[in-house]
Amino acid sequence: GAGVSQSPSNKVTEKGKDVELRCDPISGHTALYWYRQSLGQGLEFLIYFQGNSAPDKSGLPSDRFSAERTGGSVSTLTIQRTQQEDSAVYLCASSLVGGTSYNEQFFGPGTRLTVL
Amino acid sequence: AQSVAQPEDQVNVAEGNPLTVKCTYSVSGNPYLFWYVQYPNRGLQFLLKYITGDNLVKGSYGFEAEFNKSQTSFHLKKPSALVSDSALYFCAVKRMDTGRRALTFGSGTRLQVQP
Repeated sequence: GAGVSQSPSNKVTEKGKDVELRCDPISGHTALYWYRQSLGQGLEFLIYFQGNSAPDKSGLPSDRFSAERTGGSVSTLTIQRTQQEDSAVYLCASSLVGGTSYNEQFFGPGTRLTVL
Repeated sequence: AQSVAQPEDQVNVAEGNPLTVKCTYSVSGNPYLFWYVQYPNRGLQFLLKYITGDNLVKGSYGFEAEFNKSQTSFHLKKPSALVSDSALYFCAVKRMDTGRRALTFGSGTRLQVQP
């Protein structure tokens, strides 16, 4: 079956521009997560969706970062006025949520963002 | 707060030898523990998890991990390493008793298996 897909796979942008990153979770997975993987910072949690709502946004580093999820499926992570320190691989993951929190998360291949 | 430590940036082992990748955690309450592997230019792949029950957990590709509550450790092991096991390994923790779903990851350990 299809796994988590992300697009684009690579994005190069200029400082100050806005970017949108897309995530398609596994069909039937109600939970969706965004993480960021950067050199020196490891893997950082950004935001968690349950359905279309985001009960945990605690990892978003600044108000330049936002995310939405529509139809309980596709999610878009938007970074406004990009800065060089935003350069990283952005990973999306999804999981089943059935009243438990121990279901493993399945990760997409990531979007490599480079801000020049 | 919860945290994960992977004390070794890199582990080198000869093919056919046993391997161990270390992980210790800090969390208030009971943990859920996970191991993921990342191959070059690929996303993270789930290997195994500890929820409750037996302290020895078996996972994909012949890997296993042992949960040790007194030492707050969850080391990843394999009896006989393969060259194809060379990758970046991440340990992760999640508190059992909260609704917070996000994983907290360690910094990763690069495993290099030499032929």
